[in-house]
Amino acid sequence: GIQVEQSPPDLILQEGANSTLRCNFSDSVNNLQWFHQNPWGQLINLFYIPSGTKQNGRLSATTVATERYSLLYISSSQTTDSGVYFCAALYGGATNKLIFGTGTLLAVQP
Amino acid sequence: DGGITQSPKYLFRKEGQNVTLSCEQNLNHDAMYWYRQDPGQGLRLIYYSQIVNDFQKGDIAEGYSVSREKKESFPLTVTSAQKNPTAFYLCASSTLRTTNEKLFFGSGTQLSVL
Repeated sequence: GIQVEQSPPDLILQEGANSTLRCNFSDSVNNLQWFHQNPWGQLINLFYIPSGTKQNGRLSATTVATERYSLLYISSSQTTDSGVYFCAALYGGATNKLIFGTGTLLAVQP
Repeated sequence: DGGITQSPKYLFRKEGQNVTLSCEQNLNHDAMYWYRQDPGQGLRLIYYSQIVNDFQKGDIAEGYSVSREKKESFPLTVTSAQKNPTAFYLCASSTLRTTNEKLFFGSGTQLSVL
């Protein structure tokens, strides 16, 4: 099955700083998603990005499928960006079973 | 508003007791999922269902049971056979028009053992 690894495991930023989170996956995927889990446990889908680059406000993501990695960029970070960021990759053929990485814990300090 | 509703938010289980976590969605999604999250860990798949009256085991199904009698509902029962049930449980759903659909989550249920 697909293995999903994320780095760094945790990250502390000052408000206004930029950061890059990385997700490596062990096999070719046709579904790669990024999620943000806020401190109250709610998971929000940030991007569906099996390849290419997408942007949404201060966040952008790039997946290079041939090299089996994806990057999440956070620019001008805010305290509300704090939480855990997960990437997840499709596993198991036609079923929509996503395998999650162990996450990057981000703390943005004012 | 469309979304996924999980209840209760907090649940306590006594030893030997079965408890049921509720998950309801009004997004008209075909597929529903249950994930377990332990502190500092990623999400692990317990069960999933792609159609009414059918469901499949995920990676950690032992000690859990589900039903899918309605498209909107996918309750999870944590049985007494699950010896370490304390965790955060997340329900999710997605469409199945293609294999490349986004996954959407409820707000979770924190289960603790008394």
